[in-house]
Amino acid sequence: AQKITQTQPGMFVQEKEAVTLDCTYDTSDPSYGLFWYKQPSSGEMIFLIYQGSYDQQNATEGRYSLNFQKARKSANLVISASQLGDSAMYFCAMREGDKIIFGKGTRLHILP
Amino acid sequence: DTGVSQDPRHKITKRGQNVTFRCDPISEHNRLYWYRQTLGQGPEFLTYFQNEAQLEKSRLLSDRFSAERPKGSFSTLEIQRTEQGDSAMYLCASSSPPSPWGTEAFFGQGTRLTVV
Repeated sequence: AQKITQTQPGMFVQEKEAVTLDCTYDTSDPSYGLFWYKQPSSGEMIFLIYQGSYDQQNATEGRYSLNFQKARKSANLVISASQLGDSAMYFCAMREGDKIIFGKGTRLHILP
Repeated sequence: DTGVSQDPRHKITKRGQNVTFRCDPISEHNRLYWYRQTLGQGPEFLTYFQNEAQLEKSRLLSDRFSAERPKGSFSTLEIQRTEQGDSAMYLCASSSPPSPWGTEAFFGQGTRLTVV
């Protein structure tokens, strides 16, 4: 069974609009962490944001915020004021113990 | 320290040949991960090390695959008798121990393997 589910294979968003990338996860471990990574066409994996399972507040990093809904097991990434440079693959990932597992990703296209 | 480095960046090999990839993690990181990524997919976990101990291996890691991390520093991933299905990007990542503040994994730029 998939541990990380990203249901949006691709998204097109107008520049300067906000965008939400969906992620749901499955774990029985009470202690876990959730990550989002960006992978531009150049291929490197860039860490964006982290949310711990015990964190009371949603994580924010600049234009990135993580909408963490623990009861629903969702950890959506919100990008505010999107830019052309945000066009990339975005991966949701979960740390369960020492292992980090990834979803299949969402390809985001920002339109000028 | 310039981050996680992988060598080579690209490898083309004939089917049936053996290949070996190297990963040098960030020096203070004791955890090292190997992932495989095919086109349009997310990274698939292969194996990880805590210091020199290999703690978990995925079912994806067949008998033809072996990974080592002698002395808990750099790691090597060897694929024996390569098959066309082994063609992929092989990513290495390292991290320090998990903490309540979260510990992301830092990735290298990957080794792209093409088996012809």
